[in-house]
Amino acid sequence: EPEVTQTPSHQVTQMGQEVILRCVPISNHLYFYWYRQILGQKVEFLVSFYNNEISEKSEIFDDQFSVERPDGSNFTLKIRSTKLEDSAMYFCASSGPGTFGRDEQFFGPGTRLTVL
Amino acid sequence: DQQVKQNSPSLSVQEGRISILNCDYTNSMFDYFLWYKKYPAEGPTFLISISSIKDKNEDGRFTVFLNKSAKHLSLHIVPSQPGDSAVYFCAASGSGGSYIPTFGRGTSLIVHP
Repeated sequence: EPEVTQTPSHQVTQMGQEVILRCVPISNHLYFYWYRQILGQKVEFLVSFYNNEISEKSEIFDDQFSVERPDGSNFTLKIRSTKLEDSAMYFCASSGPGTFGRDEQFFGPGTRLTVL
Repeated sequence: DQQVKQNSPSLSVQEGRISILNCDYTNSMFDYFLWYKKYPAEGPTFLISISSIKDKNEDGRFTVFLNKSAKHLSLHIVPSQPGDSAVYFCAASGSGGSYIPTFGRGTSLIVHP
């Protein structure tokens, strides 16, 4: 069964450092998403991506964040200068090729980011 | 700003009994509702959804009920099995034309053998 994969599973970084979280969505999917979940809190939407551009983004997704699909398979989330409050579990998801957002979203296992 | 609320952080049920997980929402523009299940160290997995034009959707042991007037939905699991033990997230979408789901905080279900 196809699945979304994410690397690394756990990333530890120093405050102010740049991190890149990587995701390989399901191959025939067209819509890609990043979410985060701070420990004990709800899953929060960060950004959606379609046709090589951002479709929607939340207030959390400020200038410190960027997304990229550098090739036909990877989908990355970059945080330029990490802050302590960026510590969270980051989930990548993909869906499609049906109606945007109304298709089931398939989530990856997550990357736990710890900022020290 | 909790537009989707799951007021019970945890629920404990005996195997074979019914599990009822509740969810309330405040935004009347939501028109599509989903339940996701999450095991530890895994991402959320889609379970079942319901459109606002329906009041019930059933898939095997899982049934979702929607009460639009009360802005309330519930997930029923019958019969509950130990493998159902997980965190269940309610989500809603459709507000402002966006299909991006807004998640609740989740309810941890424990099914005892």
